[in-house]
Amino acid sequence: AQSVTQLGSHVSVSEGALVLLRCNYSSSVPPYLFWYVQYPNQGLQLLLKYTTGATLVKGINGFEAEFKKSETSFHLTKPSAHMSDAAEYFCAINSGYALNFGKGTSLLVTP
Amino acid sequence: GAGVSQSPSNKVTEKGKDVELRCDPISGHTALYWYRQSLGQGLEFLIYFQGNSAPDKSGLPSDRFSAERTGGSVSTLTIQRTQQEDSAVYLCASSLVRGLTVETQYFGPGTRLLVL
Repeated sequence: AQSVTQLGSHVSVSEGALVLLRCNYSSSVPPYLFWYVQYPNQGLQLLLKYTTGATLVKGINGFEAEFKKSETSFHLTKPSAHMSDAAEYFCAINSGYALNFGKGTSLLVTP
Repeated sequence: GAGVSQSPSNKVTEKGKDVELRCDPISGHTALYWYRQSLGQGLEFLIYFQGNSAPDKSGLPSDRFSAERTGGSVSTLTIQRTQQEDSAVYLCASSLVRGLTVETQYFGPGTRLLVL
């Protein structure tokens, strides 16, 4: 089965600093990869997804992720963090009909 | 347009009672999914519907859990004889029909279930 591992359950950055959230995947077939964000007491919102084609994927709110097959990685980045980026971030991979999610990374943004 | 809606938003019940959770998918989305989010287990897939059929029920944790979908739209997740370990947030998602590509799943706000 396909799976993802998110490195770091908590990440803290200063406002204006680079955001880097790590995700590594394991898949026996070409993967479809997703990043979702969850704000407190809300559902999951899609940030971006990789299917095929261009390996650098741009999403909403200034986030992007790069698919690196050689490293089996799909890390999420944002050049400059905003206070409003504080949330839980989930990496996910398709597995049959379902999405398999990572454990999540809680992003804290400090002034 | 309207997103995925779920009701109730919160549910408190006593151990042993039955509960029903409802999901209204995005109009035109024929695929519907249920997930469970809990502190200990993270996000877990429960069941997938294509139209009114459920080709994948592999994530349902026990026979106390069941789900149905009618009219290719609304879905109900039923938990019988609830246990404390059923306490979690139950998320519903919908997507366009699954063909050769993996469609984006759009999530509802969830139902928070607390079993006392």
